[in-house]
Amino acid sequence: AQSVTQLDSHVSVSEGTPVLLRCNYSSSYSPSLFWYVQHPNKGLQLLLKYTSAATLVKGINGFEAEFKKSETSFHLTKPSAHMSDAAEYFCVVSPFSGGYNKLIFGAGTRLAVHP
Amino acid sequence: GAGVSQSPSNKVTEKGKDVELRCDPISGHTALYWYRQSLGQGLEFLIYFQGNSAPDKSGLPSDRFSAERTGGSVSTLTIQRTQQEDSAVYLCASSSDPANNQPQHFGDGTRLSIL
Repeated sequence: AQSVTQLDSHVSVSEGTPVLLRCNYSSSYSPSLFWYVQHPNKGLQLLLKYTSAATLVKGINGFEAEFKKSETSFHLTKPSAHMSDAAEYFCVVSPFSGGYNKLIFGAGTRLAVHP
Repeated sequence: GAGVSQSPSNKVTEKGKDVELRCDPISGHTALYWYRQSLGQGLEFLIYFQGNSAPDKSGLPSDRFSAERTGGSVSTLTIQRTQQEDSAVYLCASSSDPANNQPQHFGDGTRLSIL
């Protein structure tokens, strides 16, 4: 079975400091992994995706994530937080079975950014 | 640009009434997905359409839930005899090529409140 665990439900950082949102996955197949962001009352926006190419994936708004198979991790990082980064972040696995990408979501991490 | 459009954005209805939620995917996207986001359950997959057919409806929580898609485009999610536990945000997503793991693009959702 496929699953995603986001290790922190809430993360709080100061503006200008690094961001680390942690994610571990479990998958029987070579998974595709995604990070999505959700701002209040909005839908989900794709930040980045990993699909078995480079293990370091760069996304939008300065975010990146590193796929580490030995640790089954896909942590999201950003060198310097901005106030506009405050949102909820979801780590997502797609087991890619059946020829379509049914998404399995983590519980989410709410990121707060303080001045 | 033309993203995924969902209507209504908010819906308040009385317990026992039927509701219809609409999703208009990105033009040309053959795959369409419905998800539900609720406080207790997080983000859950409901149903997947490829064209007008639904090869995976495993996430529909009960037979009160149904969905259809016509013309390979607009989809309607119908909930009959609504219950309070149906209160949630219903998100629609579409994808151009799920077989090649093209990402899903989400609408802003319909916030459904059952009184």
